[in-house]
Amino acid sequence: LAKTTQPISMDSYEGQEVNITCSHNNIATNDYITWYQQFPSQGPRFIIQGYKTKVTNEVASLFIPADRKSSTLSLPRVSLSDTAVYYCLVGEGFNTDKLIFGTGTRLQVFP
Amino acid sequence: DTAVSQTPKYLVTQMGNDKSIKCEQNLGHDTMYWYKQDSKKFLKIMFSYNNKELIINETVPNRFSPKSPDKAHLNLHINSLELGDSAVYFCASSQGKGSGHGNTIYFGEGSWLTVV
Repeated sequence: LAKTTQPISMDSYEGQEVNITCSHNNIATNDYITWYQQFPSQGPRFIIQGYKTKVTNEVASLFIPADRKSSTLSLPRVSLSDTAVYYCLVGEGFNTDKLIFGTGTRLQVFP
Repeated sequence: DTAVSQTPKYLVTQMGNDKSIKCEQNLGHDTMYWYKQDSKKFLKIMFSYNNKELIINETVPNRFSPKSPDKAHLNLHINSLELGDSAVYFCASSQGKGSGHGNTIYFGEGSWLTVV
């Protein structure tokens, strides 16, 4: 069954680039890799999604190696408002209807 | 315009009571979900409906009963509430099913349920 593994927490300072890596060794062929951000007392919010190589939007970049067994979310020049929990999401094995959230990575940005 | 809205946002109730949480999405999506986030912040899927049909039913006690009157609504009814049911319940929706084909899930703001 597909499962994601992320660091439980990370600390950073304002202005730095933050890279959060997610392992998903059993990712299915048709699974996309999606990252969500959750602030306290709010629902998760979509950040970025990709299938392979590199995807970039106005918020982040997502790097996916050729074997797709991991992915790295890159947040350029973080600010205090980027303090949140970041979840990596892929489908569960062959049953891609069953989406599994990992434990998430709690990012704390300091001034 | 709120894409996925759920009510109530906060709910405090006594053990043994029956309560419902309502959810509506105005995105025209075919799939709706209920997720539960416990005190340790683990986010777990409970149910998923696609075009009003149940497609995912995780190992949730049968005291929890989802109902989808139409594609835009997915309500969650909980019977005989227990202390362990205290959590944040998130409704969500997506156009397709699963994580293939670039599907994106949109979450509501959550309903904070406290059972006393």
